[in-house]
Order: sequence, then C-alpha cells, then structure tokens
Amino acid sequence: SQTIHQWPATLVQPVGSPLSLECTVEGTSNPNLYWYRQAAGRGLQLLFYSVGIGQISSEVPQNLSASRPQDRQFILSSKKLLLSDSGFYLCAWSASPYFAGELFFGEGSRLTVL
Amino acid sequence: GESVGLHLPTLSVQEGDNSIINCAYSNSASDYFIWYKQESGKGPQFIIDIRSNMDKRQGQRVTVLLNKTVKHLSLQIAATQPGDSAVYFCAENIRGTALIFGKGTTLSVSS
Repeated sequence: SQTIHQWPATLVQPVGSPLSLECTVEGTSNPNLYWYRQAAGRGLQLLFYSVGIGQISSEVPQNLSASRPQDRQFILSSKKLLLSDSGFYLCAWSASPYFAGELFFGEGSRLTVL
Repeated sequence: GESVGLHLPTLSVQEGDNSIINCAYSNSASDYFIWYKQESGKGPQFIIDIRSNMDKRQGQRVTVLLNKTVKHLSLQIAATQPGDSAVYFCAENIRGTALIFGKGTTLSVSS
C-alpha cells in the first residue's frame, strides 16, 4: 500500500532562517506531488506541484521554492523565512498523470516563524 | 485567488440530524470535484468525489450533489455523529493537474 511521510511534524524557526520540509511517498511510482499551505482558520492554498523529477510548477510567487530530486521525494525550502510563512504545510500525492484526482495527504508540518 | 468557496464557515448540528454543507464554484470548466474532511492537526482525508457528467453520487452516509447550472456542490451527511466533527473542504479540478480548495466549513456535532 502507498504511504506518505512528511517531516518534521513541528518546527519553530526565527525570521530570516532557512527552511527545509521533506516529503516522501512509498508504494507508488511517478506520482504527482503537491505542497499546500494552510494558514490558521483558512483553506488550503496550493504552493507547488510536480508531475515528474525536476519538474516544478509554482502557483504562488513568494520566498518559498520546491524541488524534486527523486521520483518520490518532494522538498519545500526557503532561504529566509518571513513571519507570514507560518502555517500548516501539507504534502500530497496523486496517481493520475492527467489530472489531480484524489489527493492523498501527509500528516502535515506545522511551522511557526517567530 | 481561490475559485471555490463555501457558503457558511461553521455549521452546528445535533447528533442524529442530517447535515448539509454547501459549496459554490465559479469556473464552469471544472470537471471534477472532491469533498475532504480534516480533523484537527491532521491532513485532509478523502470523503467522496463526483465528475461533472454526474449530478449525484452516494457513499456510506454521504451524498454529493452537483448542480452545474448554478455551479453549486453540496455534501449531505446522514445521521451525523460526533466523529463527523471536522472541517470540510470542497475542491475542484480546473487545470488538469491540481485541485483548488475552498476555505472550509467547520462542522460541530453535539450530543
């Protein structure tokens, strides 16, 4: 069966520090991968998605970036965090190559920027 | 910005009642919709989906209705239970590779 792992689960970082959140998927090949952000009390905002290794589409221009160095690994990064980067970050995958279909989410990473 | 929205941010019901959560979408090209349930501190979980060539789909205790004329989607939960308390999101697929989510409705079920 397929599983998705996301870490760290919680993170407290000072403003201006770097960020690296990792996500890996097991049990499937060539998944579509996604990073969403959920601010407190709000919906899910799509940040990045990837349909293959090295292929990243950005939905929201900001100080975050994403990379997909391996088929089942998706990394969210920042060189310098802002206060507004605080939130709940969710990695997700889907099997369909043509449309999102059902998304399977990880348990999330809660980031607090102080 | 988000093209999918929900009519009410919160909904409170009594245990055993039926719940109806509504969602309006703006893009007539959307061809696939999903309802997700998110419990506190966890990632969203799939509830039910529907394609634009259907107007109704039923699952276990849940029914999704799609009205393409008015671009409206609803989730009906029968015999609501305390375990149904969560935030419910509708999502639409409009670009072929990613789901766009609405802001969510918080469902509170009291015993």
